[in-house]
Amino acid sequence: SQKIEQNSEALNIQEGKTATLTCNYTNYSPAYLQWYRQDPGRGPVFLLLIRENEKEKRKERLKVTFDTTLKQSLFHITASQPADSATYLCALAYYNAGNNRKLIWGLGTSLAVNP
Amino acid sequence: GAVVSQHPSRVICKSGTSVKIECRSLDFQATTMFWYRQFPKQSLMLMATSNEGSKATYEQGVEKDKFLINHASLTLSTLTVTSAHPEDSSFYICSARQLDTQYFGPGTRLTVL
Repeated sequence: SQKIEQNSEALNIQEGKTATLTCNYTNYSPAYLQWYRQDPGRGPVFLLLIRENEKEKRKERLKVTFDTTLKQSLFHITASQPADSATYLCALAYYNAGNNRKLIWGLGTSLAVNP
Repeated sequence: GAVVSQHPSRVICKSGTSVKIECRSLDFQATTMFWYRQFPKQSLMLMATSNEGSKATYEQGVEKDKFLINHASLTLSTLTVTSAHPEDSSFYICSARQLDTQYFGPGTRLTVL
């Protein structure tokens, strides 16, 4: 079956370290992948988009990689801060059998950065 | 960045009443908006895709007569939960698409007593 998976376990790291979150997918023909941040009781906030023909994208302390051979995206936060504590969602845009673009969401990974 | 507002942020209503939630794109026009609901510790569940000037497209299992969607302008979509029941209690979130990215509103917490 088609699915998208993120680290199910919460990630706890020390302030200043690099957090790495994983998003794996199966059986999709990807168009692009997005990462969002969601705080409790709030809507997701867009962070980065990476296309299927891109290997890496950076924005300030954030870096996303996209490996379509491994069917995996990695999301890195360098020099992490307690304010980075949140749930991070990945969303994969893909083309279905009818060549319509669809978006599928992961369950999210909870990140806690300890001071 | 693109900003999407949602109103109200929280609503409590009695069973059997209807509730309207508004979603506005504040600094861009959105031909397409989306409505999601999210239960605790669960992923976003797409309910429907709202297209300006046409009927919404509902996902399988979502009752279109219960969740009425209107997208009358390029900056406003509304979701009306009709005859709400306690099982409709959830966190409802809208998003508006600009190019390839969906920008989300802050969400509406609906509690049906």
